[in-house]
Amino acid sequence: DQQVKQNSPSLSVQEGRISILNCDYTNSMFDYFLWYKKYPAEGPTFLISISSIKDKNEDGRFTVFLNKSAKHLSLHIVPSQPGDSAVYFCATRRPSGTYKYIFGTGTRLKVLA
Amino acid sequence: NAGVTQTPKFQVLKTGQSMTLQCAQDMNHEYMSWYRQDPGMGLRLIHYSVGAGITDQGEVPNGYNVSRSTTEDFPLRLLSAAPSQTSVYFCASSYRGYLTDTQYFGPGTRLTVL
Repeated sequence: DQQVKQNSPSLSVQEGRISILNCDYTNSMFDYFLWYKKYPAEGPTFLISISSIKDKNEDGRFTVFLNKSAKHLSLHIVPSQPGDSAVYFCATRRPSGTYKYIFGTGTRLKVLA
Repeated sequence: NAGVTQTPKFQVLKTGQSMTLQCAQDMNHEYMSWYRQDPGMGLRLIHYSVGAGITDQGEVPNGYNVSRSTTEDFPLRLLSAAPSQTSVYFCASSYRGYLTDTQYFGPGTRLTVL
């Protein structure tokens, strides 16, 4: 069973517009969520995180929104730039408190110049 | 700081061979983990360690062994390679902090088992 779902395998956006990447989860006990960005032939790099006590966290062009009632989080990138073209993974931790992370399957974002 | 380093970058094995993927970090992180990335599957946790001498299984541990004798190193051993273990393997580390832990990933090892 997939506890973290990214239902859009790919997304294309024009440069300068907003990119919205979505992630759904199944367990209401998850308390910490992260987004990672991955370029080809590189390891994922941390982008932004949010704890379940917040509903929004912002870092420059990147904002993550958390809707606990819908078990949904989204990553907004404004404005999108060609260098943002990458695969984006959302991740969370198992609620037992162990450091066992669960990742979504990823969304490939392509920003068109 | 070199961060998280992984060797080798590429490896081809024959079915039944064994090998060790190396992972090292120089950030004094307590937590280290191994993931595999397969198309359409995201990153799946193989094994992880919360400190030297302590390891535990992740989602997909079968066919892999780990040990953690030092804070810096966390090698992953394939005991008898199978084609199903063809994948890209990532090692990651983080410090332990409630709601502050973020993982730093190595560049990956691309493994092909024939």
